[in-house]
Amino acid sequence: AQKVTQAQTEISVVEKEDVTLDCVYETRDTTYYLFWYKQPPSGELVFLIRRNSFDEQNEISGRYSWNFQKSTSSFNFTITASQVVDSAVYFCALRHPAFSGGYNKLIFGAGTRLAVHP
Amino acid sequence: GAGVSQSPSNKVTEKGKDVELRCDPISGHTALYWYRQSLGQGLEFLIYFQGNSAPDKSGLPSDRFSAERTGGSVSTLTIQRTQQEDSAVYLCASSLSPPGAGVEDTQYFGPGTRLTVL
Repeated sequence: AQKVTQAQTEISVVEKEDVTLDCVYETRDTTYYLFWYKQPPSGELVFLIRRNSFDEQNEISGRYSWNFQKSTSSFNFTITASQVVDSAVYFCALRHPAFSGGYNKLIFGAGTRLAVHP
Repeated sequence: GAGVSQSPSNKVTEKGKDVELRCDPISGHTALYWYRQSLGQGLEFLIYFQGNSAPDKSGLPSDRFSAERTGGSVSTLTIQRTQQEDSAVYLCASSLSPPGAGVEDTQYFGPGTRLTVL
């Protein structure tokens, strides 16, 4: 089965708190790609990061960081010192390489709604 | 540069009518994707275009749904004889290169068309 699970439906934090959004995926393939997208209230999906299965290095971009662990099939996203502008729905997604079936589509998790309060 | 644009932003129609949704991808992007976002089903892949051809139509939910792409650019998604269950946000995405091309295959999304079928 190919599946992405975001178990946290909604998270509410106060500004400046750190928050981690969980993403667990299932795949039979050894080569795959993982993504995070942000969907603010305006509705447009904004690309945040792309990671291939052979690159397990964690990544940091400003207040954002990602922890990829193949051993637990997880690709978690942490926002440090959250801000009100971080309020959005965050989606984790999985894609398979061109040589496997159904290679075109992104398989999305259900999303986590993050509310950051002042 | 300009992102993916979609029109109309909102469409209200009566059950049984046909609708056309338009997507204008980022200039130079060869791959184009349609997704649907609904409350019950989350984000679902519909169809993928590479140039003007659609090698993957696996996500189209019924034969009432069709799509075309002309000139390797603009795409139109047509829903015939709309039903209430077609109500959703229809999202279009484009990527510079087809899947498997490296970071150039990252999908960038438009703002979506919210379709309401009464």
